[in-house]
Amino acid sequence: QKEVEQNSGPLSVPEGAIASLNCTYSDRGSQSFFWYRQYSGKSPELIMFIYSNGDKEDGRFTAQLNKASQYVSLLIRDSQPSDSATYLCAVDGSARQLTFGSGTQLTVLP
Amino acid sequence: DAEITQSPRHKITETGRQVTLACHQTWNHNNMFWYRQDLGHGLRLIHYSYGVQDTNKGEVSDGYSVSRSNTEDLPLTLESAASSQTSVYFCASRRGSSTDTQYFGPGTRLTVL
Repeated sequence: QKEVEQNSGPLSVPEGAIASLNCTYSDRGSQSFFWYRQYSGKSPELIMFIYSNGDKEDGRFTAQLNKASQYVSLLIRDSQPSDSATYLCAVDGSARQLTFGSGTQLTVLP
Repeated sequence: DAEITQSPRHKITETGRQVTLACHQTWNHNNMFWYRQDLGHGLRLIHYSYGVQDTNKGEVSDGYSVSRSNTEDLPLTLESAASSQTSVYFCASRRGSSTDTQYFGPGTRLTVL
């Protein structure tokens, strides 16, 4: 079992819809959870992080964390074509380093 | 502004040659990391360092080495390049606590012929 698993996609949503990206992790000692966005041919860039159970909102983005279920998600409201990218879930576990999922490719259709 | 840079951005080399990829950060971060990214595998950790003179192996370290002589730099060396090492390589740095952001360099695309 992979340490960090993401829905593999690809995921397509129409412009203006909500995109839902999911991630599960296996290390119960994990403390912080990060979502990165990676455009094709570019390096990953941080969208947001979360470390407390519940929701955290930043503009059109909402991260949700449920440590009991070892589940973290990212919701993108009012999706735009510019949101089309690969989204990487990263988990800061007991090894003091980030473990990344394989990513979910999102396409927002105009 | 603080940043993290990598050089070269593109490199073509031949099997068996030694190759060194440079990574330089001006964040003054203690923690630095090297990843490779291949289709279907996501980001895989090669080597990492938590400070000067500290280096550690990641999950795919065979055929790679690093050294950390100062805070700013973590060069990655491929001792004898193999075609299986054709990949995109990302360097990253992070201050150190579990809530700190990890910043990535722009990447180096390496082709081994």
